[in-house]
Amino acid sequence: EVQLVESGGGLLQPGGSLRLSCAASGFTFSSYWMNWVRQAPGKGLVWVSRIKNDGSYTDYADSVKGRFTISRDNAKNTLYLQMNNLRVEDTAVYYCVTERGRGWFDPWGQGTLVTVSS
Amino acid sequence: QSVLTQPPSASGTPGQRVAISCSGSSSNIGSYTVNWYQQLPGTAPKLLIYTNNQRPSGVPDRFSGSRAGTSASLAISGLQSEDEADYYCAAWDDRLNVVVFGGGTKLTVL
Repeated sequence: EVQLVESGGGLLQPGGSLRLSCAASGFTFSSYWMNWVRQAPGKGLVWVSRIKNDGSYTDYADSVKGRFTISRDNAKNTLYLQMNNLRVEDTAVYYCVTERGRGWFDPWGQGTLVTVSS
Repeated sequence: QSVLTQPPSASGTPGQRVAISCSGSSSNIGSYTVNWYQQLPGTAPKLLIYTNNQRPSGVPDRFSGSRAGTSASLAISGLQSEDEADYYCAAWDDRLNVVVFGGGTKLTVL
């Protein structure tokens, strides 16, 4: 079964750091670009970051550029998102998604909630 | 303000056909394929339609997608209560160089 399982979310104060993980199984992880998409409470979906299958290229939304770092370990079938200098507006459920084409994401993980609050 | 524009809500009665629009521009829908996602209450989004009009295995043929010019549409025929969900369109935007999503449409089955 193709599956993505995120972990690492939690509650923290503004300015804090957190690392999200996404464990992939059931498909050849190293063959696919991977992305993070987030959804603030009661709001819509927003693309956050993407990484090439071999890790040689990364891209970020302007809102997180310079603060978030996406990475992957193909030997462990795991995707990461290092989030630094977190802001209240980063509060959201973060989804790990497999990119089949631009804007074509399948599957999605179950999501992990990150809450930034003082 | 989302780059792709969707109506915030839509509704229909069981058995009806409803359509949800997604309006963009030449830098996104006008040049790239559109994908649709269904998000049932309290769950993660799920791929519903890819490359404008293709259904993944397991998605009923009651769901169909189309694209014309700088707009796309998701149609649901034979509406069922379990179709009550949020629906999002998505496409690549080459002016912003990112994937853009619509703001989402909440479908209510009356």
